[in-house]
Amino acid sequence: KAGVTQTPRYLIKTRGQQVTLSCSPISGHRSVSWYQQTPGQGLQFLFEYFSETQRNKGNFPGRFSGRQFSNSRSEMNVSTLELGDSALYLCASRPTSGSETQYFGPGTRLLVL
Amino acid sequence: QKEVEQDPGPLSVPEGAIVSLNCTYSNSAFQYFMWYRQYSRKGPELLMYTYSSGNKEDGRFTAQVDKSSKYISLFIRDSQPSDSATYLCAMRGQGNLIFGKGTKLSVKP
Repeated sequence: KAGVTQTPRYLIKTRGQQVTLSCSPISGHRSVSWYQQTPGQGLQFLFEYFSETQRNKGNFPGRFSGRQFSNSRSEMNVSTLELGDSALYLCASRPTSGSETQYFGPGTRLLVL
Repeated sequence: QKEVEQDPGPLSVPEGAIVSLNCTYSNSAFQYFMWYRQYSRKGPELLMYTYSSGNKEDGRFTAQVDKSSKYISLFIRDSQPSDSATYLCAMRGQGNLIFGKGTKLSVKP
């Protein structure tokens, strides 16, 4: 089975712009979670989608949003980018929302200048 | 006080050494405890998962949970250079998964 894929792998944006990141989960997995990883804060949960519905949300401002499509693929959007949004954005999929085993993708490294 | 505390290291050991990685936490509601390994430029991968207290062994890896002390450990026996990575603890109660900041381990041949 193919693993979790994320596109693009690297991205450079400037302050004020917006960005959309994409995640394709493992085939058959219906839950997709997004995380932000920075050296200072570590890995922090952004939100989880299951069957196109947001199930859970972390403590991030409304500039961070996401959605999930009927094929379980998910997108994450960050509007009005700030320098502090520079991070590795990781997507993880699991078969159901209750499963403890989640599989991470390689991440999208975003640099905001 | 952060919910999950993990010594960032770095930790450098010779090949064959026993490695001990630890996390402490403050939330007594945490019941699910995990260890992830993250290689450079890769996403984390789940190594060990433990529910509630006790020990769990998988090959060279042993995970321990002491809920009375709010302390979890990961032991790596006969460490190999391929074990060089960042190790993240993670835990949750009924809510979201909370990660430690990770300990960077280097195993020297």
